Amino acid sequence: AQKITQTQPGMFVQEKEAVTLDCTYDTSDPSYGLFWYKQPSSGEMIFLIYQGSYDQQNATEGRYSLNFQKARKSANLVISASQLGDSAMYFCAMREGLSDYKLSFGAGTTVTVRA
Amino acid sequence: EPEVTQTPSHQVTQMGQEVILRCVPISNHLYFYWYRQILGQKVEFLVSFYNNEISEKSEIFDDQFSVERPDGSNFTLKIRSTKLEDSAMYFCASTQGTRLSYEQYFGPGTRLTVT
Repeated sequence: AQKITQTQPGMFVQEKEAVTLDCTYDTSDPSYGLFWYKQPSSGEMIFLIYQGSYDQQNATEGRYSLNFQKARKSANLVISASQLGDSAMYFCAMREGLSDYKLSFGAGTTVTVRA
Repeated sequence: EPEVTQTPSHQVTQMGQEVILRCVPISNHLYFYWYRQILGQKVEFLVSFYNNEISEKSEIFDDQFSVERPDGSNFTLKIRSTKLEDSAMYFCASTQGTRLSYEQYFGPGTRLTVT
């Protein structure tokens, strides 16, 4: 079974609008963490935001926020006020447990921001 | 800001040859990883390394692969006899792995092309 599911292969968004990228996860471990990474066309993986399973508040980092719904096992990324530079592939990832910390990745969502 | 570095950025090799990919993780990090991303696909975990030994490896990480931390700063991935299907982007990553900082930072990647 897939640990991370990203159902949107591609999305278009108008500049200055907000966009929500979906991510659902599957784990039986009570301790886990969820990550979002951005991968521009140049290929590097840029860490955006992290949410721990015990965190009470939704994580925010600048224009990025994570809509964490634990009961639904979803961790959607919201990008507010989209910019042309936000055009990239976005990956959701999860670490499980409190040892090793390896990440399992989803298939990614390509975001294209239109002027 | 500290960052993970990788060399070379691009390596071309012939099938059957040995390659060594090099990484310098962030200096106060304790956990090190190799991931790979075949073109157009999701990022896959290969191996994690902690306390000078492998802590976990995936089924991809067979006997052709090995990792080493030869000194206090470098972390290497060796592929003994490359195959065409080893062509991919290889990412090194590191994390402090503490409750205060689970963020996992990725290097810029090494694009390996096997001909």
